[in-house]
Amino acid sequence: KAGVTQTPRYLIKTRGQQVTLSCSPISGHRSVSWYQQTPGQGLQFLFEYFSETQRNKGNFPGRFSGRQFSNSRSEMNVSTLELGDSALYLCASSLTTGTGQPQHFGDGTRLSIL
Amino acid sequence: AQKVTQAQTEISVVEKEDVTLDCVYETRDTTYYLFWYKQPPSGELVFLIRRNSFDEQNEISGRYSWNFQKSTSSFNFTITASQVVDSAVYFCALGGSSASKIIFGSGTRLSIRP
Repeated sequence: KAGVTQTPRYLIKTRGQQVTLSCSPISGHRSVSWYQQTPGQGLQFLFEYFSETQRNKGNFPGRFSGRQFSNSRSEMNVSTLELGDSALYLCASSLTTGTGQPQHFGDGTRLSIL
Repeated sequence: AQKVTQAQTEISVVEKEDVTLDCVYETRDTTYYLFWYKQPPSGELVFLIRRNSFDEQNEISGRYSWNFQKSTSSFNFTITASQVVDSAVYFCALGGSSASKIIFGSGTRLSIRP
């Protein structure tokens, strides 16, 4: 069974640009969550999508947005990139939302802002 | 507010030693879930275990064991007879029952020396 797939693995952008990251969940998983990992702030929850609807949102500015498609694949978009957005962005999928479902993570997309 | 504290930032032991990683959590929820994840140098977060708040039974899986104590709000992780392959960053995490949002601790970097 294929795991969570994130593309691309690495990305280099400059300040002010925008970026879109992609996540394909494990087959049959309908919930997709996104996390940002930085050395200073650790792992922080960005948002969760289930049935194409955002179910929960972390404390991030509106520049961070996402969406989920009918096949449960998800994309995350960051607009007007800032140096502080440099991080490892991790996507996680689970069978459904809530009820303490264990989340299975992808390898992440490492985003570097120059 | 929910919070997870991993007071040990880094631990270094010699191979075959036993090592315990501490985790203390805070939550007002009566139903909650605790997780441990392993993050090897490759970056992917690997799910290790989930416990719900109503199940205080300790669990053993091979060389890994977990001790959950609600009275002290702790969920500690012990590796017996450690091996070099156990070297990684280990995260303790807390989730509620209403959404898939997980609060992660800051992680403990474990180094096993040959």
